[in-house]
Amino acid sequence: NAGVTQTPKFQVLKTGQSMTLQCAQDMNHNSMYWYRQDPGMGLRLIYYSASEGTTDKGEVPNGYNVSRLNKREFSLRLESAAPSQTSVYFCASSVAANSPLHFGNGTRLTVT
Amino acid sequence: GENVEQHPSTLSVQEGDSAVIKCTYSDSASNYFPWYKQELGKGPQLIIDIRSNVGEKKDQRIAVTLNKTAKHFSLHITETQPEDSAVYFCAASDVGSGYSTLTFGKGTMLLVSP
Repeated sequence: NAGVTQTPKFQVLKTGQSMTLQCAQDMNHNSMYWYRQDPGMGLRLIYYSASEGTTDKGEVPNGYNVSRLNKREFSLRLESAAPSQTSVYFCASSVAANSPLHFGNGTRLTVT
Repeated sequence: GENVEQHPSTLSVQEGDSAVIKCTYSDSASNYFPWYKQELGKGPQLIIDIRSNVGEKKDQRIAVTLNKTAKHFSLHITETQPEDSAVYFCAASDVGSGYSTLTFGKGTMLLVSP
């Protein structure tokens, strides 16, 4: 039982490049989330998927897109990376709203 | 949307002392308040949570209290140990447009010295 798995663990991009962060959970959770963590800013919600087939914007969605591929997988795409997107990205899942989040171990992204 | 303020940003205690971290929230409709512990290089992990119909909850050395009238909640760790050193985040549910997501505080770095 791996929980929430994120790939890659580290990534360096040049400004303007694109990439997709992958996330998969094996807990049969309905809801999945993408957060970014910046020093002194806590965790900020980028996008979430309340259930398979739905996605919604969070607090900081600009510059990102998401895909809920199936119940297990939720990917985050940066179409044209910017230095402001340098951050640690966390995927999480939960059974439903107002239930504990289970986090992956993060992807550390640097955009130069 | 919800706004969560967390204090202090850093907290240093001696092993065996108690530690208290406080959070305030803005939306009186919030009804779920979890606390997460994040160790270096890892994702946050839930340590305790409380719902708005409960005023206090304990789990061994950890307790959380909730004051709905004042819109604040606190994490209490007793008999601290070096392995309690980590960053702690509070969060509050943000009901928003119908589906409730979590809004996090900015975190407290707790350092427990032997």
